[in-house]
Amino acid sequence: GAGVSQSPSNKVTEKGKDVELRCDPISGHTALYWYRQSLGQGLEFLIYFQGNSAPDKSGLPSDRFSAERTGGSVSTLTIQRTQQEDSAVYLCASRLGTGGHGYTFGSGTRLTVV
Amino acid sequence: SQQGEEDPQALSIQEGENATMNCSYKTSINNLQWYRQNSGRGLVHLILIRSNEREKHSGRLRVTLDTSKKSSSLLITASRAADTASYFCATEKTSYDKVIFGPGTSLSVIP
Repeated sequence: GAGVSQSPSNKVTEKGKDVELRCDPISGHTALYWYRQSLGQGLEFLIYFQGNSAPDKSGLPSDRFSAERTGGSVSTLTIQRTQQEDSAVYLCASRLGTGGHGYTFGSGTRLTVV
Repeated sequence: SQQGEEDPQALSIQEGENATMNCSYKTSINNLQWYRQNSGRGLVHLILIRSNEREKHSGRLRVTLDTSKKSSSLLITASRAADTASYFCATEKTSYDKVIFGPGTSLSVIP
């Protein structure tokens, strides 16, 4: 597609439930990133996929968070047993290859845990 | 700790004035990027400046980079109400590393 697509755009879930957030990057972009942004805050790095390399998971806040990228394209971020502190906007971004290029961001998924 | 820190945290100016935001970082970098965010959603990439560059322009935007001071500035000239947004700097330490974002500067341009 022309841009990075994220779904759903909004998600309200009950505490303790699992959620899946989806990201469709720009075709041909080998690098894909997930960030989290709490209200009024900066972006918190979560995970980074680059081609066929092992993902950089150093930003995942707990073992309740996991992500996969199938076929080098679509990525899914899964949060198990959601907590209220997981409420945030989850942003996905992709870019061509390695450094020297800016990211293209999706519009994000606003997750609210009640 | 975060690599980039923007200053000021918030800035309010009149339409037509220039807006300057600064970014400081801690370690050596491969490049520094500036992004704009409207309404707390996706960020838009504005400009990328490499460590061997000192200044770049894009329309009404001017970015400078001083690697000796580990700082960058973003200047928006002749500001418009539509420039109201949050602005983030982001640094990349190597070409194979992830980009780390600062907490952002909230800019309000008053018509």
